[in-house]
Amino acid sequence: AQSVTQLDSQVPVFEEAPVELRCNYSSSVSVYLFWYVQYPNQGLQLLLKYLSGSTLVKGINGFEAEFNKSQTSFHLRKPSVHISDTAEYFCAVIEGAGGSYIPTFGRGTSLIVHP
Amino acid sequence: DAGVIQSPRHEVTEMGQEVTLRCKPISGHNSLFWYRQTMMRGLELLIYFNNNVPIDDSGMPEDRFSAKMPNASFSTLKIQPSEPRDSAVYFCASRGGAGDTEAFFGQGTRLTVV
Repeated sequence: AQSVTQLDSQVPVFEEAPVELRCNYSSSVSVYLFWYVQYPNQGLQLLLKYLSGSTLVKGINGFEAEFNKSQTSFHLRKPSVHISDTAEYFCAVIEGAGGSYIPTFGRGTSLIVHP
Repeated sequence: DAGVIQSPRHEVTEMGQEVTLRCKPISGHNSLFWYRQTMMRGLELLIYFNNNVPIDDSGMPEDRFSAKMPNASFSTLKIQPSEPRDSAVYFCASRGGAGDTEAFFGQGTRLTVV
């Protein structure tokens, strides 16, 4: 069965600094990978996804993530954060062919951007 | 499209009462998920429907929880009787047809059982 580990529960950073949110997954089959963002009192919104092809994927709001199969990682990055990026970020995995096709989420990382 | 619609947004109930949460998925989507979010356990999958049929309900905590999807445009999650430990935010999400991967989430129902 698949699983997702988000290594940091909270990441504080100053505005305009770069940030990386870490995500590692475990699966015995091919996977699709996702990052979602949750603003306070809201549902989850898709930031970006990796299905196949180029391992560097770009999403909304200037975020990008890189799929590393050998390290089973899918870290999220942004070169310069803004106060409005303060939110909870979730990494998710779906097992592809032969898998359950059910999204499994990590515990989330709270990104706190300070002025 | 209005997106996934959940109701109510907030629910406060007394222990022992029945609670029903409602979800209207995006029109044309054929997969529906119910998740529960708590500080302690994060986002947990409760149940997954495909074409209105429950496919995986292994995440339903116990017999007090039940979910139905009588048609493609409506689903309910019922807790009877409710307990304080059921307090959480419950999310419904839907996904399109074969080959679609993105799940679209509703805004959630914040349940408080006192």
